[in-house]
Amino acid sequence: EAGVAQSPRYKIIEKRQSVAFWCNPISGHATLYWYQQILGQGPKLLIQFQNNGVVDDSQLPKDRFSAERLKGVDSTLKIQPAKLEDSAVYLCASRADNEQFFGPGTRLTVL
Amino acid sequence: AQKITQTQPGMFVQEKEAVTLDCTYDTSDQSYGLFWYKQPSSGEMIFLIYQGSYDEQNATEGRYSLNFQKARKSANLVISASQLGDSAMYFCAMREGRWGSNYKLTFGKGTLLTVNP
Repeated sequence: EAGVAQSPRYKIIEKRQSVAFWCNPISGHATLYWYQQILGQGPKLLIQFQNNGVVDDSQLPKDRFSAERLKGVDSTLKIQPAKLEDSAVYLCASRADNEQFFGPGTRLTVL
Repeated sequence: AQKITQTQPGMFVQEKEAVTLDCTYDTSDQSYGLFWYKQPSSGEMIFLIYQGSYDEQNATEGRYSLNFQKARKSANLVISASQLGDSAMYFCAMREGRWGSNYKLTFGKGTLLTVNP
């Protein structure tokens, strides 16, 4: 079966610009997660969707980050405006039963 | 307080030898699970092994085994017969709450394993 797809794989922007990431989960997976992984650290959960509803967004910086999952399939994560400290890898994961499957990530560099 | 602690920022091991990566956790839940993931330099997170809090036997998956000591709240990963391809970051993670609920994972900071030829 196809894995979790993410695009773009790499993105370089200047601070105060906007950026969007896209995730296509494994077909049939109801739960979708976005994680932020800063260099040298483990992934940190930003937001969790169940179908198209938000389950947990307690660690999402809502003044600049937003995410949506239209129709309960694909999801987009947006940062507007970006700050230097947003430089990280953004990982998307999906889950049907008990195991989370991760995508390859998007590496964001904010200059 | 950190929920997952990995005290070894980096570890070195000779090819074909065994290595233990440490992980301690903190939770007040009775039902929880512990995972280990491998992250090569390419960036993807690869699931290695899982241990549930009610599992009486230590989990094993091929060359990977999990040394689960519940009273000490530790869940160390043991890799036997290390291979050069095992060089990567290794993350310990914890699921709190029961399976089937909308669980989330909390990750440690990781251990960078280098396998020397």
